[in-house]
Amino acid sequence: GENVEQHPSTLSVQEGDSAVIKCTYSDSASNYFPWYKQELGKGPQLIIDIRSNVGEKKDQRIAVTLNKTAKHFSLHITETQPEDSAVYFCAASIENYGQNFVFGPGTRLSVLP
Amino acid sequence: DTAVSQTPKYLVTQMGNDKSIKCEQNLGHDTMYWYKQDSKKFLKIMFSYNNKELIINETVPNRFSPKSPDKAHLNLHINSLELGDSAVYFCASSQGLAGGPGAGETQYFGPGTRLLVL
Repeated sequence: GENVEQHPSTLSVQEGDSAVIKCTYSDSASNYFPWYKQELGKGPQLIIDIRSNVGEKKDQRIAVTLNKTAKHFSLHITETQPEDSAVYFCAASIENYGQNFVFGPGTRLSVLP
Repeated sequence: DTAVSQTPKYLVTQMGNDKSIKCEQNLGHDTMYWYKQDSKKFLKIMFSYNNKELIINETVPNRFSPKSPDKAHLNLHINSLELGDSAVYFCASSQGLAGGPGAGETQYFGPGTRLLVL
């Protein structure tokens, strides 16, 4: 089955700096890769996603890149702000009946003012 | 206008008890899920239902029984609660097959139910 690894497990950056979180997956059939942000006491919320037919996607300060050959994808946050502090999860799934996401273990991002 | 709601938000109970967690989504989605998040924040899928039918059942003790009375609701019943069941349980939903390929993947999560078994 699919296995998703995520690094680093914790990340501290200064406000205004960039943050990068990397994930690798094992199943080459995976073709959908969402990123979720989980704030304290809340459920995960989708922030950006990418499909396997695209190498990069950007939404304001957030971007995701995908390297299908190497089976890894990354989240890039530029100009970080204190409200970006949260736990970030990557996931991989095969677009099929039921959407069985396999999540990475999460990265706790702290943006220091 | 909460999209995915869960009740209760907190649940503290004794070992051996039976408890239920309810989930409702008003997004018109066909597919609903239950996830367990442990103390280390690891998110793992437990069950998935599409139009009231079970389609994913990961290795979960049979003390856990999901029930979907209609496609907007997916409840989780837990029998004989154990200490190791303490976790945060998240319900989620996605459009599923209704939107066709490429349309149904995004999963929307509820706020979670924090279960503590004493």
